[in-house]
Amino acid sequence: GAVVSQHPSWVICKSGTSVKIECRSLDFQATTMFWYRQFPKQSLMLMATSNEGSKATYEQGVEKDKFLINHASLTLSTLTVTSAHPEDSSFYICSARRDVGAVQYFGPGTRLTVL
Amino acid sequence: GQQLNQSPQSMFIQEGEDVSMNCTSSSIFNTWLWYKQDPGEGPVLLIALYKAGELTSNGRLTAQFGITRKDSFLNISASIPSDVGIYFCAGPPSNFGNEKLTFGTGTRLTIIP
Repeated sequence: GAVVSQHPSWVICKSGTSVKIECRSLDFQATTMFWYRQFPKQSLMLMATSNEGSKATYEQGVEKDKFLINHASLTLSTLTVTSAHPEDSSFYICSARRDVGAVQYFGPGTRLTVL
Repeated sequence: GQQLNQSPQSMFIQEGEDVSMNCTSSSIFNTWLWYKQDPGEGPVLLIALYKAGELTSNGRLTAQFGITRKDSFLNISASIPSDVGIYFCAGPPSNFGNEKLTFGTGTRLTIIP
C-alpha cells in the first residue's frame, strides 16, 4: 500500500524559533500533498494544499507567511512554522495522493510543542 | 462551509459487541471515506465509497454510502481490543474538481475490559 512518512515525529522548540517538518511519499509520486493541523480531541483541519512546482493554496485563516510550504519534488513537501509560539503547538499531519481524485494517504504526524 | 457530524461522539462497549456509527452532511458528497486514527498517529484509510447506495466490506468492517448522498454508516462486527481509536468520516464536497477533504467530528471507540 501507499506509504507516507513524516520527519520528525515530534519536536520541542523555544518560542520565536522556526521548525521544519518534512513529508515524503515513499513508494509513489504525489502530485499533491496536503497539510493538516489537529488540536487535542479535535478533528483534522486542512491548512493548505501543496502542488509540486507551484505555490501552495492556503485555507482561510491560515497565515501563509507563518506556515511556509515548499513542494520541491513529487515525493517531498515541507512545512516550516516560522517564529513559532505556544499557540502553534499541535499535531501536524500531511497526506499525499497520486492523481486528481485519488485517495489521500496520511503520514504518521508530527507533534510540535512550543515552549 | 462544509460540515460533517458524526454520531455518537464516543462509545464504550465490551469486546465482542457490534458497533454502529454514522456521519451526516449538510450537503451532497460524491465520495465517502472512513479513516481510523490511533493515538499519536495519522489516519489510516479503512473503506472508500464512491456510489450512492454502495455497501462495502473490509473484514469485520462494513460501510454504506447513503442514498441521499448526505450520509454514511460504518459498522464493526465482533469488536476486538485493536478496534480502539477514533473513527473519522471524510469526503470531498461534490463541487466539480474539488479535491479537498472535509473531516467529520469523529467517534471515539473505547472497549471496556
